[in-house]
Amino acid sequence: NAGVMQNPRHLVRRRGQEARLRCSPMKGHSHVYWYRQLPEEGLKFMVYLQKENIIDESGMPKERFSAEFPKEGPSILRIQQVVRGDSAAYFCASSPTGAGEQFFGPGTRLTVL
Amino acid sequence: DQQVKQNSPSLSVQEGRISILNCDYTNSMFDYFLWYKKYPAEGPTFLISISSIKDKNEDGRFTVFLNKSAKHLSLHIVPSQPGDSAVYFCAWGGTSYGKLTFGQGTILTVHP
Repeated sequence: NAGVMQNPRHLVRRRGQEARLRCSPMKGHSHVYWYRQLPEEGLKFMVYLQKENIIDESGMPKERFSAEFPKEGPSILRIQQVVRGDSAAYFCASSPTGAGEQFFGPGTRLTVL
Repeated sequence: DQQVKQNSPSLSVQEGRISILNCDYTNSMFDYFLWYKKYPAEGPTFLISISSIKDKNEDGRFTVFLNKSAKHLSLHIVPSQPGDSAVYFCAWGGTSYGKLTFGQGTILTVHP
């Protein structure tokens, strides 16, 4: 059973470009969480999704950030018009039940030049 | 809102000795805490958890202790091994849908 998959592992963007981060949860998991880790900090919750629904986006910046988890395909975290402050590691986690242990992917390291 | 704090940024331990990692929280209402371990350039890996009805949970070399009156939990690793060198995060999972609130992390270094 493959673990949580994220791609790309590394992403470099120039200021003003768009970044698309993909996450495929573990098989059978319908609950997906996105977290962001800024340098020298812990992981911060961004958004929680179930298939086709955003359940909690309280950790998402108000502008430029969006997330989706379509019926088919991976979950996507989209950042429009990236700025240098968006440089961070973005982790996706999945869970079979929406409670308890979450299984994390390897992360996408976004660098904004 | 629940706050989770790991006040020690780093810990250095000799191989074979005990490692004790600490975590404090602010809100008395919680469902469970989890400990995750993270290597550089990898995602966090689940280690052990403890629910609000327990004071202790043990899994092999890892034991988590919960002191509800002090709002404090600790992770004990005995004996420590060089492969345990990593960043350790405690996380609170107290919402109805499992959103995790993480501490800042503690870098553990185990010297051979």
